[in-house]
Amino acid sequence: QKEVEQNSGPLSVPEGAIASLNCTYSDRGSQSFFWYRQYSGKSPELIMFIYSNGDKEDGRFTAQLNKASQYVSLLIRDSQPSDSATYLCAAQGAQKLVFGQGTRLTINP
Amino acid sequence: KAGVTQTPRYLIKTRGQQVTLSCSPISGHRSVSWYQQTPGQGLQFLFEYFSETQRNKGNFPGRFSGRQFSNSRSEMNVSTLELGDSALYLCASRQGLEPLHFGNGTRLTVT
Repeated sequence: QKEVEQNSGPLSVPEGAIASLNCTYSDRGSQSFFWYRQYSGKSPELIMFIYSNGDKEDGRFTAQLNKASQYVSLLIRDSQPSDSATYLCAAQGAQKLVFGQGTRLTINP
Repeated sequence: KAGVTQTPRYLIKTRGQQVTLSCSPISGHRSVSWYQQTPGQGLQFLFEYFSETQRNKGNFPGRFSGRQFSNSRSEMNVSTLELGDSALYLCASRQGLEPLHFGNGTRLTVT
């Protein structure tokens, strides 16, 4: 079992719809979680981070954390073509930060 | 504040050669991590340095090494280059357990 798992996609969403990206983690001791966006050929950029159970909203983005289910998600509302990218989930455990393989998201105009 | 700076941006080397990549973290960040990313692959963790000490290491052969200086700047070295070492090498810095901030990367091509 991978430490942090994401569906590799591609996930195809129509413009204006909600894109839902999911991530599960195996280390129950993980305390903080991060979502990064990476455009092709570019470096990852931080979108959101979340430490507590529940939802955290920032503009069109909402991160959701459920520690009991070891599940993190990222919702993108009113998806735009510019949101097309690979989204990386990362979990901070006691010893190290672990990244998932990323989900490729395509927003169709 | 200036971001994470990596040099050079692009590099072309021949099999068997060695290469050194450089990373200057964000001011005040003492932790520097290195990642390798190949086409279609996720981020592969190489190593993390904190206060000049290697704190974590990924599953890469000994040809890959790194170090960190007293000013937190870090270098990564790959010896005896192989074709499979062609990749985007990313450096990232952080303060404590706050989010990682990535540099623009060094794209290494081995011919």
